[in-house]
Amino acid sequence: EPEVTQTPSHQVTQMGQEVILRCVPISNHLYFYWYRQILGQKVEFLVSFYNNEISEKSEIFDDQFSVERPDGSNFTLKIRSTKLEDSAMYFCASSEVRAGGVGAFFGQGTRLTVV
Amino acid sequence: GIQVEQSPPDLILQEGANSTLRCNFSDSVNNLQWFHQNPWGQLINLFYIPSGTKQNGRLSATTVATERYSLLYISSSQTTDSGVYFCAVELTDSWGKLQFGAGTQVVVTP
Repeated sequence: EPEVTQTPSHQVTQMGQEVILRCVPISNHLYFYWYRQILGQKVEFLVSFYNNEISEKSEIFDDQFSVERPDGSNFTLKIRSTKLEDSAMYFCASSEVRAGGVGAFFGQGTRLTVV
Repeated sequence: GIQVEQSPPDLILQEGANSTLRCNFSDSVNNLQWFHQNPWGQLINLFYIPSGTKQNGRLSATTVATERYSLLYISSSQTTDSGVYFCAVELTDSWGKLQFGAGTQVVVTP
């Protein structure tokens, strides 16, 4: 069964450093997303991406965050200067269509720890 | 914004028991999904169910869109069913943004 894959599974970084989280969405999907989950809390939407541009973003997704689809298969989330409060599980997701179909599929997550 | 409320917040079951989890939402939605987050943190897609009823093995789900709720049924629970169950909805005017509920923590004891 096709799946969304994320790398790395764990990342520890020092405060102020830049991190790039990587995702390979399901190959025929056109819509891509990033979500995050702070430990013990609910999953929160960060950004959606379609046709090489951001479709929607949340208040969390400030200037420190950016997304890119550098080639036909990868989808990345960059955090420019990490803060302690960026520590969370980050999930990439993809879907074939915006609404309808069979919904969004999530990767296994990248656990980011900022020290 | 839309409110997504899940109940109960916690559930302890003995192996073999049945249970019902509920998700209420406050507005019309395009999409409703149920996820299981396992102890390793992975989000497993259980159902895409904006309306109607679906079954997958011991799990089934029903969404009554006109009354803005969805139910997830777990029958003959097993210890591997432990984890957090999330309901997530997509508003009709959003670009695929899923709004998650706070989840139901399920513990199945042997």
